[in-house]
Amino acid sequence: QSALTQPASVSGSPGQSITISCTGTSSDIGFYEFVSWYQQHPGKAPKLMIYDVTKRPSGVSNRFSGSKSGDTASLTISGLQAEDEADYYCSSYTSINTWLFGGGTRLTVL
Amino acid sequence: QVQLQQSGPGLVKPSETLSLTCAVSGYSISSGYYWGWIRQPPGKGLEWIGAIHRGNTYYNPSLKSRVTISVDASKNDFSLKLTSVTAADTAVYYCARHLYVVDSWGQGTLVTVSS
Repeated sequence: QSALTQPASVSGSPGQSITISCTGTSSDIGFYEFVSWYQQHPGKAPKLMIYDVTKRPSGVSNRFSGSKSGDTASLTISGLQAEDEADYYCSSYTSINTWLFGGGTRLTVL
Repeated sequence: QVQLQQSGPGLVKPSETLSLTCAVSGYSISSGYYWGWIRQPPGKGLEWIGAIHRGNTYYNPSLKSRVTISVDASKNDFSLKLTSVTAADTAVYYCARHLYVVDSWGQGTLVTVSS
């Protein structure tokens, strides 16, 4: 099974909005509502930002939102802040009882 | 609140077996959830290795032949064994608690494969 496909990098200015895509197949993203997104700062463990495609854990800013269409999920960050600069990973449950991660997207706040 | 504390060597020789343990506090492993391992090679992305849930194991097909995950309910911990390691297995290894989403992570252990 191949990793989910994410753009290697995205960038935006403070206050702007950005969207990170995550493309899978009909055996993972396209079949299940179990897409999650993680934020990782250098040297730190990943932090859950979105789960079940659209849900935010307690304590995560409402500037973060998730969506899905077909085999592609998306993470949108609005009102970009300097602290949002990090790596972002998507993940999905699969039809063979495994979990897949995306290759990661480096977000740069200009 | 659940906490995961990893232990194990940071250096393993090529062809040998990598062994890590994750001690769980604040939650009983026997109560549910998947207990798994995820790794991240230096400068690269996350890779799910496998998990154990109520005695059933689930492994990444690309690693399945070399991986064993087990639970010690008496100690409330779980372990990873990865056999026949090569330099490509050098990574930060995380233990994790998850259902369809990882909600708790260990602190991470950098394991370097080198002679």
